Amino acid sequence: QVQLVESGGGVVQPGRSLRLSCAASRFTFRSYGMHWVRQAPGKGLEWVAIIWYDGSNKYYADSVKGRFTISRDNSKNTLYLQMNSLRAEDTAVYYCARDNRGEGMDVWGQGTTVTVSS
Amino acid sequence: SYELTQPPSVSVSPGQTARITCSGDALPKQYAYWYQQKPGQAPILVMYKDSERPSGIPERFSGSSSGTTVTLTISGVQPEDEADYYCQSTDSSGTYWMFGGGTKLTVL
Repeated sequence: QVQLVESGGGVVQPGRSLRLSCAASRFTFRSYGMHWVRQAPGKGLEWVAIIWYDGSNKYYADSVKGRFTISRDNSKNTLYLQMNSLRAEDTAVYYCARDNRGEGMDVWGQGTTVTVSS
Repeated sequence: SYELTQPPSVSVSPGQTARITCSGDALPKQYAYWYQQKPGQAPILVMYKDSERPSGIPERFSGSSSGTTVTLTISGVQPEDEADYYCQSTDSSGTYWMFGGGTKLTVL
């Protein structure tokens, strides 16, 4: 069935960088916008960023703007999140999710955990 | 900054009706979406475009909209409906997505 699998999480020191990946399978990846959504321990969902199906538009939450970059490689069916200048408050489970053309985030990955700590 | 406001918790007995509200100034202009999340699991879309139910979501889930408030209604609540529920929408420009703070539904 349709699947998203995140990877790249881990423990990183404050100020360092990390790149997350999200591998898509069993759907036409290049036809869909994609989101990153995160969830800090014990907290609610926080939208992080979206990229249009063709990469032409990208939008970010204020909390990550200027530090995080969303990108995609449609030839590899993969979504990325480059996270720079990481802070303790970026500690969270990071999910990628498919944007079903205005019909919501209908497919989610299982999440990858990022811990920012010295 | 724009926000979506949900009650932190709602409690109902099995078989009763649960109503979870979400308020936001842009909701008259932007659709709302609802997600269910159980502990240790990824969220699941349970309602889109205010009142459309994705395939596979039980008919007891319904959605409605009135002014600046949208409501997720679960009729005949089942024990397996116990979860956190999040509304989601965009600001009036449609370029900033956000989630409400979440509502914990407890089935007594």
